[in-house]
Amino acid sequence: AQSVTQPDIHITVSEGASLELRCNYSYGATPYLFWYVQSPGQGLQLLLKYFSGDTLVQGIKGFEAEFKRSQSSFNLRKPSVHWSDAAEYFCAVGSYSSASKIIFGSGTRLSIRP
Amino acid sequence: DTGVSQDPRHKITKRGQNVTFRCDPISEHNRLYWYRQTLGQGPEFLTYFQNEAQLEKSRLLSDRFSAERPKGSFSTLEIQRTEQGDSAMYLCASSGEGQGRTEAFFGQGTRLTVV
Repeated sequence: AQSVTQPDIHITVSEGASLELRCNYSYGATPYLFWYVQSPGQGLQLLLKYFSGDTLVQGIKGFEAEFKRSQSSFNLRKPSVHWSDAAEYFCAVGSYSSASKIIFGSGTRLSIRP
Repeated sequence: DTGVSQDPRHKITKRGQNVTFRCDPISEHNRLYWYRQTLGQGPEFLTYFQNEAQLEKSRLLSDRFSAERPKGSFSTLEIQRTEQGDSAMYLCASSGEGQGRTEAFFGQGTRLTVV
């Protein structure tokens, strides 16, 4: 069965520090992987996506993620966080199949320490 | 605005009443999803349409829930005989098909409060 695990419920980092949010997935087919961000009371905004090719993908707002098939991981990174990055981050998995759905992890809440 | 729009943004209803939410997807998208999100959780998949066909329904979608997508355009989600446990944010998303177009674009959601 498809599943996405985000092992960190809440992370606090200092402004200017680097960030890594973990994501592990379980998927029978070749996965499409996504990271979304959600600010309080808002919908979800796509940060980046991986479909194929280069396993290091760049996204908006200075985020990047690396697909590691051997570890079934798709961790999100940012070299230097800004106070405006405080939000909830969701990893998600889908596939090319027309019968697929996109499923989400439970999210990681990011707080920024001034 | 060519994004996904949902109506209403907020709904407060008394337990036992029926409610209906509407979602207008991005016009060229043939896939439409409904998710439910409770506080502190990720979106939980409810159901999914490919054009007008409802291809999958989650076990979360009890008999009180029904979704439609007539003509493969907008979609409605109806909850009958609402219960307090139905209080949540209901998110709609749409996506295209084929490589490079399968990411889901989300609406702002409808927040339902059952009192």
